[in-house]
Amino acid sequence: DAGVIQSPRHEVTEMGQEVTLRCKPISGHDYLFWYRQTMMRGLELLIYFNNNVPIDDSGMPEDRFSAKMPNASFSTLKIQPSEPRDSAVYFCASARLVTVLTFGAGSRLTVL
Amino acid sequence: EDQVTQSPEALRLQEGESSSLNCSYTVSGLRGLFWYRQDPGKGPEFLFTLYSAGEEKEKERLKATLTKKESFLHITAPKPEDSATYLCAVQAEETSGSRLTFGEGTQLTVNP
Repeated sequence: DAGVIQSPRHEVTEMGQEVTLRCKPISGHDYLFWYRQTMMRGLELLIYFNNNVPIDDSGMPEDRFSAKMPNASFSTLKIQPSEPRDSAVYFCASARLVTVLTFGAGSRLTVL
Repeated sequence: EDQVTQSPEALRLQEGESSSLNCSYTVSGLRGLFWYRQDPGKGPEFLFTLYSAGEEKEKERLKATLTKKESFLHITAPKPEDSATYLCAVQAEETSGSRLTFGEGTQLTVNP
């Protein structure tokens, strides 16, 4: 298995632009998580899905952030409009057993 | 609110010099405690899950232990390839489904 695949690996954009991060989970995993990692706040859960349904989005910082999972093999995290404080590494993780998460390599976002 | 505190923030060891990392937690009923390893530029990689006080898990040079208030990750005779950031996370019984709360990690450097 190729593991959890995230794209892009690096994104540099200007404030106000729309950013879309993509994730392909491991086949057969029914949980998908989006985390954000910064030096100041560490790893924070943004949202997670079970069987493509959003279960807990209480970590989504504000309305500028949205996440979708249209099918079992694809999810997106969108930020519109982006702000410099959104700069972070965004991780997608998937799991079959709810607590053994397999993380992707992350998408490093820089908003200028 | 669930809290996880890891110490020290950073640890430098000589190859072969054994030591322990600490993870203190506050949760309203622990469902599980998890250790992950994170290498630079990569996502966290699952190491162990502990469920109850007194439980121990081992993998190569690593051993994780759990009490009612903290967990230790013991590293015996470490090698340079053990250098990484070690993250601790907890899942509380009362949190929704699969929410994990992560500590900020201990950055371990093992010098040859």
